[in-house]
Amino acid sequence: GAGVSQSPSNKVTEKGKDVELRCDPISGHTALYWYRQSLGQGLEFLIYFQGNSAPDKSGLPSDRFSAERTGGSVSTLTIQRTQQEDSAVYLCASSPFRTYEQYFGPGTRLTVT
Amino acid sequence: DQQVKQNSPSLSVQEGRISILNCDYTNSMFDYFLWYKKYPAEGPTFLISISSIKDKNEDGRFTVFLNKSAKHLSLHIVPSQPGDSAVYFCAASARGGSQGNLIFGKGTKLSVKP
Repeated sequence: GAGVSQSPSNKVTEKGKDVELRCDPISGHTALYWYRQSLGQGLEFLIYFQGNSAPDKSGLPSDRFSAERTGGSVSTLTIQRTQQEDSAVYLCASSPFRTYEQYFGPGTRLTVT
Repeated sequence: DQQVKQNSPSLSVQEGRISILNCDYTNSMFDYFLWYKKYPAEGPTFLISISSIKDKNEDGRFTVFLNKSAKHLSLHIVPSQPGDSAVYFCAASARGGSQGNLIFGKGTKLSVKP
């Protein structure tokens, strides 16, 4: 079946602009996660959605970052007034109910110039 | 403050030999551990996992060992193949059966030479 998809695969933006990153999870998966990986670093947790519960936003680095999940499926991560330190690969993952294993998309490489 | 540490950024192994990737953690509340493999320009792929109630889990050429007293786990790949060349991430969860975010190490780049 289809895996997790993310778009765009690459995004170059100017400092100060807003960007939106999209994630389509695996159909039927109830949980959706956003992580980012900066150069030479591990994956850093950003936000977690589980069904209709309030999202766990504890990993968002600043109030410039926000995310939505519409209809329990597609998610959009928005970064406002981008800064150069926001440059990273943004990864989305989904998982079935009550499962630890997370299935990742290919990521969006964001470059802020 | 890193809760999951992979102290070797890289490892080089000859094809056919054993690859041993190590991971240390500091949070005694972690109850589930996972290994992911990542190729360039792709997302991480789940490889193998282990619950804290076990000390070993095996899947084909891959075996994960957990030493809770030492807060240490390792991934053994036997025999290593060139296609195993990738970055390997160790990850941990402290959710006690519920879902939640994983805590990742920085990864170890494995190179398997023919």
